[in-house]
Amino acid sequence: GAGVSQSPRYKVAKRGQDVALRCDPISGHVSLFWYQQALGQGPEFLTYFQNEAQLDKSGLPSDRFFAERPEGSVSTLKIQRTQQEDSAVYLCASTQRGTRGANVLTFGAGSRLTVL
Amino acid sequence: KNEVEQSPQNLTAQEGEFITINCSYSVGISALHWLQQHPGGGIVSLFMLSSGKKKHGRLIATINIQEKHSSLHITASHPRDSAVYICAVWGTSGSRLTFGEGTQLTVNP
Repeated sequence: GAGVSQSPRYKVAKRGQDVALRCDPISGHVSLFWYQQALGQGPEFLTYFQNEAQLDKSGLPSDRFFAERPEGSVSTLKIQRTQQEDSAVYLCASTQRGTRGANVLTFGAGSRLTVL
Repeated sequence: KNEVEQSPQNLTAQEGEFITINCSYSVGISALHWLQQHPGGGIVSLFMLSSGKKKHGRLIATINIQEKHSSLHITASHPRDSAVYICAVWGTSGSRLTFGEGTQLTVNP
């Protein structure tokens, strides 16, 4: 596609519910990143894929967070047993190349999760 | 202390003013991004730079690697420039961006 597409744009979940957030990167982009942005804060790194390989998941805040990119294109971020502190905008970004060296990122519009 | 710090946190200007937003970082980097985020979440990359200066329209970004400092300048500011401006750095391993907390810019007509 022309840009990075994320869905849903808005999600309201009850505490304890599982959610899945989808990212469809630019076609052919090798690297994909997930970031979490709390209200009024800068984005915080969650995880990074190069093709289907999850090379860095050190930013995932707990084992309730899980991300996958099984075919090296679309990625899903899953949050199990959501808590109120999970409320944030989840941003996906992709780059054309692998990241040995800096790359220009293209960001999606984000998925805003609100946990009640 | 955050690895990437921006100042000011909030900035209000009148249309036409020259604006400067500053970014200081404490880690070794391979490059630095300036990003723009409008209400509703969308982030746009304005510049990626690793040395010197870049210019695009009314926007100018500079970086001083020795001083670990970058600035974003907006000339002849306009209300449509109102947004959050975020500085982010690629570490030397190149596998993640570390973000500043952003500068909320409001340009009044």
